[in-house]
Amino acid sequence: AQTVTQSQPEMSVQEAETVTLSCTYDTSESDYYLFWYKQPPSRQMILVIRQEAYKQQNATENRFSVNFQKAAKSFSLKISDSQLGDAAMYFCAYRSPNTGTASKLTFGTGTRLQVTL
Amino acid sequence: EAQVTQNPRYLITVTGKKLTVTCSQNMNHEYMSWYRQDPGLGLRQIYYSMNVEVTDKGDVPEGYKVSRKEKRNFPLILESPSPNQTSLYFCASRPFEPGLSGNTIYFGEGSWLTVV
Repeated sequence: AQTVTQSQPEMSVQEAETVTLSCTYDTSESDYYLFWYKQPPSRQMILVIRQEAYKQQNATENRFSVNFQKAAKSFSLKISDSQLGDAAMYFCAYRSPNTGTASKLTFGTGTRLQVTL
Repeated sequence: EAQVTQNPRYLITVTGKKLTVTCSQNMNHEYMSWYRQDPGLGLRQIYYSMNVEVTDKGDVPEGYKVSRKEKRNFPLILESPSPNQTSLYFCASRPFEPGLSGNTIYFGEGSWLTVV
């Protein structure tokens, strides 16, 4: 079974600075998908970014980018030019391409990000 | 607007009183699933469904039931709720695509359930 580990329960960053959230995972599959979800105080689950394991290029979405190291099974999220609205819980998630599991996402335990002035 | 709708959003109930949390999606998705979120544990899958009348257990199915009689609806049933089922529940859906597919999973807004 796959596991996802987020070793940083809480992180803090100053506004306009850059922060990196860590995520490691364990799998025996060669193809899979990795995601970062943001959960603000409203508790809504918002997809931030996703990465296909077969792509070597790191995904980027505006101020959000990932550092995907497949051999090391590492998938960190970098937030540049942090804004107050980035304050939230961030979850790293893994999904197998096996449709028999109906798209199950395996989540990490989350990292709570604080953004200070 | 594409959405997954859950009801109720907030509920306080008593131990043993059967309840149903409804989930409906308007995107004609084949796949639907339920997760629960608990502090320090992230989200864990309870049950999932690959299509009408096809359901299966996820990682934490004990104490829950589901049904999929229509493609758009996937209710979560707690026959005899207990305090350890106090949690935040999410319904999710996505379309089926053959082969390797990473299309987005859509989440509902969550349902807070407290069992006293």
